Amino acid sequence: SQQGEEDPQALSIQEGENATMNCSYKTSINNLQWYRQNSGRGLVHLILIRSNEREKHSGRLRVTLDTSKKSSSLLITASRAADTASYFCATGGFKTIFGAGTRLFVKA
Amino acid sequence: EAQVTQNPRYLITVTGKKLTVTCSQNMNHEYMSWYRQDPGLGLRQIYYSMNVEVTDKGDVPEGYKVSRKEKRNFPLILESPSPNQTSLYFCASSFIDRSAVGGANVLTFGAGSRLTVL
Repeated sequence: SQQGEEDPQALSIQEGENATMNCSYKTSINNLQWYRQNSGRGLVHLILIRSNEREKHSGRLRVTLDTSKKSSSLLITASRAADTASYFCATGGFKTIFGAGTRLFVKA
Repeated sequence: EAQVTQNPRYLITVTGKKLTVTCSQNMNHEYMSWYRQDPGLGLRQIYYSMNVEVTDKGDVPEGYKVSRKEKRNFPLILESPSPNQTSLYFCASSFIDRSAVGGANVLTFGAGSRLTVL
């Protein structure tokens, strides 16, 4: 089963622009995480936001969480070509469930 | 270097020939898990383990077995592989954050094992 669903499925932007990806989930959560995957490689953890937090920052990343709407967004500011990757939201603890991901392409 | 190591990275096999994908982590993590990734389906959890000799099914356990005899190792066993098990497999491990409700896991992933079953 997929708990999180990312939107859009794919996004293409110019270097320097901001990229926003959204994630919706179905059941109550304790926390939500975002991961990045470069083509065919292992996922890398980006950021975790807890259910009692509304916003969190890490470098050029900004994550928001709206538990009333069961949604989260990941904003990457001033994107770079190296940000080209797939981004996944994930919920759950021991049974972590990932969404299908958003493919981001940043053009130099 | 802290890492999760999977082997083999690439494997082509035939239907019915038993195979094992090994996973080892050097971070003393209690929790380990296996996922498969298929186009359009994201990552789906196969099995997970919360400690030695403690394993449980994920969303898609059919056709797979696991064991956790040592804390650092969590092999994935395909007793009789079939073509629908052709996929990209990931092992992941984490500490268990007992300060967080639900035991938040920040997962460290291996590089992946691409398996083709003919």
